Amino acid sequence: GQNIDQPTEMTATEGAIVQINCTYQTSGFNGLFWYQQHAGEAPTFLSYNVLDGLEEKGRFSSFLSRSKGYSYLLLKELQMKDSASYLCAVRDPTENQAGTALIFGKGTTLSVSS
Amino acid sequence: DVKVTQSSRYLVKRTGEKVFLECVQDMDHENMFWYRQDPGLGLRLIYFSYDVKMKEKGDIPEGYSVSREKKERFSLILESASTNQTSMYLCASTETGQVNGYTFGSGTRLTVV
Repeated sequence: GQNIDQPTEMTATEGAIVQINCTYQTSGFNGLFWYQQHAGEAPTFLSYNVLDGLEEKGRFSSFLSRSKGYSYLLLKELQMKDSASYLCAVRDPTENQAGTALIFGKGTTLSVSS
Repeated sequence: DVKVTQSSRYLVKRTGEKVFLECVQDMDHENMFWYRQDPGLGLRLIYFSYDVKMKEKGDIPEGYSVSREKKERFSLILESASTNQTSMYLCASTETGQVNGYTFGSGTRLTVV
């Protein structure tokens, strides 16, 4: 079956580094996405990985290992505004006719304190 | 700035009412999606459409229907609203093969009383 697992909650302090893990088992794979969602708002795109390795974008980095079905999102120099939910999503081309469906994890709520 | 616009931010409806949630995108995307998001359950796919007048059921289509008469507009219909349909509803769109995944609307928080 389709399954995406990520921790429910994490806490960290300002200036620290935090790693949010995501493991997935899906029928097909055509990319893994990370989204950030602040309370009461829509998810916004953070990163996309389709090949193994690390993608760095400012304070945020995302890593993918397709053979292990594993990804992580790394947030450096944490700020209070990083308090949000972080959603891991896998694009599974077998899920719909257009190959566009994303399967979402339940999200990780990150709380950053001073 | 590209956009997905949902017509209402907050909505309160009575049990048994027929409810229409509207979503419009200005990016000429072929694919549009309706999700609901509930605490502890994450985003669950209700319906999606990959072309005008085309639709496919998602994971939880019961109690819902959709309409896509024009490429830019995808409507979610609650035929007879029930209290268990109280939720945050998110519309999203994407172009086939787009590396940024979905663009989401700002969401409609629906309360059924």
